[in-house]
Amino acid sequence: DIQMTQSPSSLSASVGDRVTITCQASQDISNYLNWYQQKPGKAPKLLIYHASNLETGVPSRFSGSGSGTDFTFTISSLQPEDIATYYCQQYDNLPLTFGGGTKVEIK
Amino acid sequence: QVQLQESGPGLVKPSETLSLTCTVSGGSISSSYWTWVRQPAGKGLEWIGRIYTSGSTNYNPSLKSRVTMSVDTSKNQFSLKLSSVTAADTAVYYCARARDITSDAFDIWGQGTMVTVSS
Repeated sequence: DIQMTQSPSSLSASVGDRVTITCQASQDISNYLNWYQQKPGKAPKLLIYHASNLETGVPSRFSGSGSGTDFTFTISSLQPEDIATYYCQQYDNLPLTFGGGTKVEIK
Repeated sequence: QVQLQESGPGLVKPSETLSLTCTVSGGSISSSYWTWVRQPAGKGLEWIGRIYTSGSTNYNPSLKSRVTMSVDTSKNQFSLKLSSVTAADTAVYYCARARDITSDAFDIWGQGTMVTVSS
C-alpha cells in the first residue's frame, strides 16, 4: 500500500494567516492526489482533485500543488469557517489511501 | 442534485455480518461509480472498496476476505456487507460518489452512519 504522511498533524493559526499542509507519498504517485476538508460530525468534502484542481464552488483561497511524492495544500487567508481536519488521498494505486489528517485550529 | 443516504443497523454483534445500503437520489446510479469509506471515532479515513454499476468491484486487501459489495440499479442503491465483524469494525461508515470515472475523487458523500460492534 502507498503510505501518505501528512504534516503537521495539527496547527494553530490566526485568522488571515497563510496555512500550509504537506503530504508525502511513500512512492511516486504522479499528480494522483486529492484533498478533503472534514468538519466535526460531518462527511469529508472534496476541495482539490488531481493535485491542483479546485472543485466547483470551493473558495479560491484553497489551493494545491505538487507531483511525484511531495504535495502541498494551502489556505491563503485562514477564515474561521476553515476550522476542520484536512486529508490528502492518493489514487495512483489500489488500495486508495488517505493521509492521517491535519487538524487546523484558530489561535 | 445527487444525494446519498446510508441505512442499516447501528448495532451489530461480534462475528455477525454488517449490512449497509446507500440510496442514491436526485440522479442516476449509472452516472458514476461508488465507494465505501469508514472512520473509527477520532481516527482517519479508511477506504473499504468501490463498485461500478456493471457490478465490477475493487476491495481493500486488508478487508477483502470479509467484504462484499453489490449494486441494484433498479432501486438506485448499492450495498456493503462486512462479515465476521469485531470491535475493530466499529466506525462511521460513509458511502460516496466518484466525481468522474477518471479520478478517484469523491465529490458527494452520505452523512455517514455509525455502526457499533458489541454484544
